[in-house]
Amino acid sequence: DVKVTQSSRYLVKRTGEKVFLECVQDMDHENMFWYRQDPGLGLRLIYFSYDVKMKEKGDIPEGYSVSREKKERFSLILESASTNQTSMYLCASSQWRGYNEQFFGPGTRLTVL
Amino acid sequence: AQTVTQSQPEMSVQEAETVTLSCTYDTSESDYYLFWYKQPPSRQMILVIRQEAYKQQNATENRFSVNFQKAAKSFSLKISDSQLGDAAMYFCAYRSGNNAGNMLTFGGGTRLMVKP
Repeated sequence: DVKVTQSSRYLVKRTGEKVFLECVQDMDHENMFWYRQDPGLGLRLIYFSYDVKMKEKGDIPEGYSVSREKKERFSLILESASTNQTSMYLCASSQWRGYNEQFFGPGTRLTVL
Repeated sequence: AQTVTQSQPEMSVQEAETVTLSCTYDTSESDYYLFWYKQPPSRQMILVIRQEAYKQQNATENRFSVNFQKAAKSFSLKISDSQLGDAAMYFCAYRSGNNAGNMLTFGGGTRLMVKP
């Protein structure tokens, strides 16, 4: 059974804190993605990675960075959390080629106070 | 850039009846893929159905089917014999055929409520 897991379901942080969200997949997928989900806006791509140590900016990368040191793990970093980063964060993975579906994690609901 | 629009923020349907969720997209490409994803409450998002733009035949998966109108850039999802477990957020998504990275552009979502 395919699996994408995220380190936390709920997270509360204070403004200015450094925040790490971690995602792990066990499907040996090349691609991994970080999305932000907000009501009415759907999912917006923050960053994606197609290989270890490789990353590409998505539609809304400002205020975020990512790290992919191992194939199965993709981390999203908020260098200095702000209240407008309060959101649901979803991680996904997929195979490199074709129109293969993306498999999603359960999401992390982050609140920045 | 491609955009995906879901004009119905919320829909409701009576159990056992049929409901259609709308999706339109804007693209200048001829090769692309379209998807419907389902996000149940507090559960992970899963793929419901996908459609290749080069295929004229509408995709079906059990009670789920699509009405793909390429010229109109419309991709609606029909759920037949609705069940309580169909209650969820539904997202329409677009993937460019030139997109080797498999990136998706999502619509804003439609919340489907199923009444017993």
